[in-house]
Amino acid sequence: KAGVTQTPRYLIKTRGQQVTLSCSPISGHRSVSWYQQTPGQGLQFLFEYFSETQRNKGNFPGRFSGRQFSNSRSEMNVSTLELGDSALYLCASSADRGNTEAFFGQGTRLTVV
Amino acid sequence: AQSVTQPDIHITVSEGASLELRCNYSYGATPYLFWYVQSPGQGLQLLLKYFSGDTLVQGIKGFEAEFKRSQSSFNLRKPSVHWSDAAEYFCAVVSGGSYIPTFGRGTSLIVHP
Repeated sequence: KAGVTQTPRYLIKTRGQQVTLSCSPISGHRSVSWYQQTPGQGLQFLFEYFSETQRNKGNFPGRFSGRQFSNSRSEMNVSTLELGDSALYLCASSADRGNTEAFFGQGTRLTVV
Repeated sequence: AQSVTQPDIHITVSEGASLELRCNYSYGATPYLFWYVQSPGQGLQLLLKYFSGDTLVQGIKGFEAEFKRSQSSFNLRKPSVHWSDAAEYFCAVVSGGSYIPTFGRGTSLIVHP
């Protein structure tokens, strides 16, 4: 079956703009989590969605938001972009929450200039 | 709060040599433990996981890991490394009930021919 699909793969934005990233989980998976990966901070958890509800949120400012649709597809939005938001954004899907196997997408590389 | 330490930022081995990547965690109870591998520009792939039971866990690509409660460790091993194993390796911990994984900073594996 198809894996986790993230679009777009690469994105260049200007400071102050906003951006929306998309994640299509594996068919049948209901949990989608987002992570930010940077050389300085490593992998940091952004938020988790399950059944269209945000279940957990990491320590990120309110400029970072997300949502999940009824088909489990998820989007994350970053408003008022800052240079420090440049990162690889990874999405992971799981059949269920927590300790089940998470399948990661290839990520969206966001560059803020 | 749970934490994960991967003490080695880089490890260099010769092809065919054995490998051990270290992972220590901090958590009161027995957490769920994972090892992931990330190739350049790619997402993370699950190598193996430990939930309970046998403390020696077999994974994909010939990897195994051993959970040692007394040392709070979950070290990853491979008896003979191949050049294609060169990648970034991440240890992750999920504590029961939190559903939020904490990742180590990663260990970069370099394989010399």
